Amino acid sequence: DVKVTQSSRYLVKRTGEKVFLECVQDMDHENMFWYRQDPGLGLRLIYFSYDVKMKEKGDIPEGYSVSREKKERFSLILESASTNQTSMYLCASSSPGGSNEKLFFGSGTQLSVL
Amino acid sequence: AQTVTQSQPEMSVQEAETVTLSCTYDTSENNYYLFWYKQPPSRQMILVIRQEAYKQQNATENRFSVNFQKAAKSFSLKISDSQLGDTAMYFCAFILQPYSGGGADGLTFGKGTHLIIQP
Repeated sequence: DVKVTQSSRYLVKRTGEKVFLECVQDMDHENMFWYRQDPGLGLRLIYFSYDVKMKEKGDIPEGYSVSREKKERFSLILESASTNQTSMYLCASSSPGGSNEKLFFGSGTQLSVL
Repeated sequence: AQTVTQSQPEMSVQEAETVTLSCTYDTSENNYYLFWYKQPPSRQMILVIRQEAYKQQNATENRFSVNFQKAAKSFSLKISDSQLGDTAMYFCAFILQPYSGGGADGLTFGKGTHLIIQP
């Protein structure tokens, strides 16, 4: 069964801390994504990667960076966490092809920045 | 840029009733996919149904069906014989197709509709 695993389900951090959110997929997918989910705003794309060491900005990349050193792992980094980054973070992966539309999602990390 | 609009923040129906969730989108492109995702309280996103824009026939998956009106840029989800387990957030989503040079564009999501099925 396909699996996208996010390392933490809940995370509490302090303002100014450097935060790493980890995501691992076991499907050998080329494409990986980080979304942020907020009530009333839906899911918004932060960053995505279509290959190792490649990254592309999504709609709301400010305050975030990413790392893709290995194909199976895609990390989201908050260099200096702020309270407005309190949110649910969802990782997803997919494999390109003629219909690259099926995303496999992790269970999300609820991040609270105090 | 593409946009997806879900105008119903919350809906509530009785078990066994039929419910329709609305979604409109805006794009100047002709080739794309549309989706409905379900997110139950477990937070796991589940693909409910997908529709290719070039197909005129509406997609159907068991109790779930869509009404795809390409000219009107409308993509509604109908759930028949609703069940308690259908209680969830439902997101409409869009992606352009095809993809160039191996690059991947993420899905564009609507803001979601919270569907509550009452016993």
